[in-house]
Amino acid sequence: AQSVAQPEDQVNVAEGNPLTVKCTYSVSGNPYLFWYVQYPNRGLQFLLKYITGDNLVKGSYGFEAEFNKSQTSFHLKKPSALVSDSALYFCAVSPSGSARQLTFGSGTQLTVLP
Amino acid sequence: ETGVTQSPTHLIKTRGQQVTLRCSSQSGHNTVSWYQQALGQGPQFIFQYYREEENGRGNFPPRFSGLQFPNYSSELNVNALELDDSALYLCASSLAGLDRAYGYTFGSGTRLTVV
Repeated sequence: AQSVAQPEDQVNVAEGNPLTVKCTYSVSGNPYLFWYVQYPNRGLQFLLKYITGDNLVKGSYGFEAEFNKSQTSFHLKKPSALVSDSALYFCAVSPSGSARQLTFGSGTQLTVLP
Repeated sequence: ETGVTQSPTHLIKTRGQQVTLRCSSQSGHNTVSWYQQALGQGPQFIFQYYREEENGRGNFPPRFSGLQFPNYSSELNVNALELDDSALYLCASSLAGLDRAYGYTFGSGTRLTVV
């Protein structure tokens, strides 16, 4: 069975500083990896995904993520944080086999301080 | 192109009652998945429907059931509601075979409170 760990419940960063939200995963075979963002009382908005290819994936709103197979990690990054980036971030994995559901981490609350 | 719409947005039910939640998929998507997101947790996969049949199920009891209609809209039904069923229920639509390539589109969810 696949699993996702987001080791930090809360990440605080000053506006303009780089941010990193950590994610590690466990899955058999090649993983499909996703990052979603959730604003209060809203559904999930897609940020980016890794399927195959270049380990550095660029997504929406200036976010990027680096896939590291040896460390089974898929950390979300942004060079310069904005106050409007404050939200709940979820990492998710889907195995490469026939099972197609997403398994989510527990989420990381990002707060960007002005 | 419309996104995924869910109704109602909020709902309060009494323990033991039954509830039906509705989802309209994004235009062109033929697969729908339902997720339960309890407070402070990540979404948990309930089940997925493709061609009006269940196409995968998570660790949820049979009192959670679903339907997919020919127009790809969907319903989630929960019988004999329990207090722990209180959660945000998310619907996600995708295109079969390309869901992991093109991603899943989530609705804004239905907030169910069981009292």
